[in-house]
Amino acid sequence: EIVMTQSPATLSVSPGERATLSCRASQSVSSNLAWYQQKPGQAPRLLIYGASTRATGIPARFSGSGSGTEFTLTISSLQSEDFAVYYCQQYNNWHTFGPGTKVDIK
Amino acid sequence: EVQLLESGGGLVQPGGSLRLSCAASGFTFSSYAMSWVRQAPGKGLEWVSAISGSGGSTYYADSVKGRFTISRDNSKNTLYLQMNSLRAEDTAVYYCAKDERPLGWIQLYPFDYWGQGTLVTVSS
Repeated sequence: EIVMTQSPATLSVSPGERATLSCRASQSVSSNLAWYQQKPGQAPRLLIYGASTRATGIPARFSGSGSGTEFTLTISSLQSEDFAVYYCQQYNNWHTFGPGTKVDIK
Repeated sequence: EVQLLESGGGLVQPGGSLRLSCAASGFTFSSYAMSWVRQAPGKGLEWVSAISGSGGSTYYADSVKGRFTISRDNSKNTLYLQMNSLRAEDTAVYYCAKDERPLGWIQLYPFDYWGQGTLVTVSS
């Protein structure tokens, strides 16, 4: 089983600032990596797939990078609606999610 | 518009059974692999099971293998999860989720649409 880790567990950011979230896989997942956003009481929302492709309707301030075992999600200028929990997911060998990074208001 | 609507959750005693349903609309259901993903209260996401578009292939997480059965009825555009021998640790919101691209199985895909979830509580 591929184990996903995410850091930091919590990221405190001021609106308008840049946020950088990290995700690591225990073995290579190539570019088969997705990022999801989840707000309280809601289902997860697909943001990024293929490590760097934005899903339909996702604003350009969200970007993804990386391949193999190291990945990054960057939110260039945080808006109020971006405060949420973010999960990475590998789909190279079935599906495994990371534990999540909570982005909260500083 | 793609819609996924889960039902069937509730309170069940340890060792009991429950069947979840997910009614799909707005896309060609039989062309897409589907999955169940769960989330324990206050915890992260855990993928549970997947089924191919035809229903001929299934896969399970080790945590539910031998206890849960995924199935689908393409004539009714409905996905199911039969859960037997339920344990306290199965308590979670269960989401159905649709593959981002059709005909996935050899090549896996992320999930572009999710239902609103149905809560399963296993407790005496």
